[in-house]
Amino acid sequence: NAGVTQTPKFQVLKTGQSMTLQCAQDMNHNSMYWYRQDPGMGLRLIYYSASEGTTDKGEVPNGYNVSRLNKREFSLRLESAAPSQTSVYFCATSIYTEQFFGPGTRLTVL
Amino acid sequence: DAKTTQPNSMESNEEEPVHLPCNHSTISGTDYIHWYRQLPSQGPEYVIHGLTSNVNNRMASLAIAEDRKSSTLILHRATLRDAAVYYCILITSYGKLTFGQGTILTVHP
Repeated sequence: NAGVTQTPKFQVLKTGQSMTLQCAQDMNHNSMYWYRQDPGMGLRLIYYSASEGTTDKGEVPNGYNVSRLNKREFSLRLESAAPSQTSVYFCATSIYTEQFFGPGTRLTVL
Repeated sequence: DAKTTQPNSMESNEEEPVHLPCNHSTISGTDYIHWYRQLPSQGPEYVIHGLTSNVNNRMASLAIAEDRKSSTLILHRATLRDAAVYYCILITSYGKLTFGQGTILTVHP
């Protein structure tokens, strides 16, 4: 069992470029989440998906889009990256109230 | 959303107990109290959760005040691997976690 996997692990973008962060889980969980963590801060929820086919905004959704492709995969897209989106991005899944996190993607926007 | 208040940092010696406090005076009757920890360069990891009664698991114990306005995470014998940021979180609807800044725990050998 890989649990929650994220790709890529690291990425450097120029302002205005686009990219998609991938998240996959083999835990058969319905709910999936995307968070961002800025230096010295706690995590903030960007988007979440309570089940396949549904997505909802979290605390900081501006500048991002998501796709819940199937039960296993939940992707996060930056259409036009900005330096303010430099952060570490974590994907998570949950069953009941316990969440399981991936290893994170460290994104730098120049 | 109900908020939590934790000390910015705490220190402990290896093999001593650690008590990490959390205040949540605006907790609602249906909020669960969750604790997560984040080791350096890793994603957060679930530690324990409870509603009203004290809870124990292999990692830690959770002591919840009778009025539920505060709780304490107890690590019975701290190890160097317990050095992390510990987050006390109240679960909102749909299981959304609202993270504060947490407590940085330093464990001295």
